[in-house]
Amino acid sequence: GESVGLHLPTLSVQEGDNSIINCAYSNSASDYFIWYKQESGKGPQFIIDIRSNMDKRQGQRVTVLLNKTVKHLSLQIAATQPGDSAVYFCAENNAGNMLTFGGGTRLMVKP
Amino acid sequence: DTEVTQTPKHLVMGMTNKKSLKCEQHMGHRAMYWYKQKAKKPPELMFVYSYEKLSINESVPSRFSPECPNSSLLNLHLHALQPEDSALYLCASSQEAGGLAKNIQYFGAGTRLSVL
Repeated sequence: GESVGLHLPTLSVQEGDNSIINCAYSNSASDYFIWYKQESGKGPQFIIDIRSNMDKRQGQRVTVLLNKTVKHLSLQIAATQPGDSAVYFCAENNAGNMLTFGGGTRLMVKP
Repeated sequence: DTEVTQTPKHLVMGMTNKKSLKCEQHMGHRAMYWYKQKAKKPPELMFVYSYEKLSINESVPSRFSPECPNSSLLNLHLHALQPEDSALYLCASSQEAGGLAKNIQYFGAGTRLSVL
């Protein structure tokens, strides 16, 4: 079936370094993708989104890259801070506006 | 901060109890959602309400009963739950549901449910 998945379950980075979180998707018809951040004890928080007619979108310290050829999505966080420690989910938004979440990657920031 | 409010934050119930989870949003959103999230897993969609009508039920057992009293409120009534139903229950809302329009879902902090 169709699925959205992540390559790495845990990513540990040094404070100040850049982080890259990857996600693979299999539904080539998907036209919209979202990254969510979930901190302990909280619900998922919207970070950034991208439509399939784009290959890059930048926010504040975050960049999402979309490679439709290989069905790959990545989230880049610049100058990672302790407050970035969380679980990050990519999600695929289909025509029914149903979110299909990837498995999640835990980002741990070392001081 | 999230503008989707869920109560209670924590709930412990026995298998014979009846309880309700509540969700409220004042963003004028017309679509509301219930998700279930087990530890170290992504959220799984349970129900979608669009314009106060149930539009999607992801084959959820009948011991979970959703209700949308008005466009700002969403309830999840619980009855005769099993220990495996213990999870974080998340509510979300978005401007609309359906179609290809960009529709960010905003989540509440969730209710941590334990079934004994």
